[in-house]
Amino acid sequence: DVKVTQSSRYLVKRTGEKVFLECVQDMDHENMFWYRQDPGLGLRLIYFSYDVKMKEKGDIPEGYSVSREKKERFSLILESASTNQTSMYLCASSSRRPREAHEQYFGPGTRLTVT
Amino acid sequence: RKEVEQDPGPFNVPEGATVAFNCTYSNSASQSFFWYRQDCRKEPKLLMSVYSSGNEDGRFTAQLNRASQYISLLIRDSKLSDSATYLCVVNRQAGTALIFGKGTTLSVSS
Repeated sequence: DVKVTQSSRYLVKRTGEKVFLECVQDMDHENMFWYRQDPGLGLRLIYFSYDVKMKEKGDIPEGYSVSREKKERFSLILESASTNQTSMYLCASSSRRPREAHEQYFGPGTRLTVT
Repeated sequence: RKEVEQDPGPFNVPEGATVAFNCTYSNSASQSFFWYRQDCRKEPKLLMSVYSSGNEDGRFTAQLNRASQYISLLIRDSKLSDSATYLCVVNRQAGTALIFGKGTTLSVSS
């Protein structure tokens, strides 16, 4: 059974703190993604990675960075958390094979609150 | 204009009803199309792919009209368990990031 796990389901941080959100997949997928989901705005892509040490900006990368040192792990970093980064963060992975790349497997999400 | 647009709903229907969701996309170069389903407080999951010839999976039928840049999802004989948010998803190019619509919420009641 395919699995994407995220380090925390709920997280509360203070403004200005550095925040690390970890995502691990066990499907040997090449592609990994970070989204945030907010009411009325839907899923918005923050960053994605096609391979180890590779990263591409999504639609809303400002205030975030990512790290992909190992194939199975993709980390999202908030260098200095702000209240407008309070959101649900979803990690996803997919195969690189063209017939499978459209099926993204999502983790359970991390609900981050920045106070 | 948003790249993928959906009517947010909510659609409130009784059990057994037939309900249709529509979606439009703005980039004519888009190559692949999908419907994902997201249950309340859960992660999105792939429901079905959408092909120009139309495709059916049990009570669910998806259609694509490339000329109108329009995608639809039809659910027949609605069940309580169909209550969820349905996300219209477009892929500009195979292997690239997916573009998600904001979703249409369906609530089926007994």
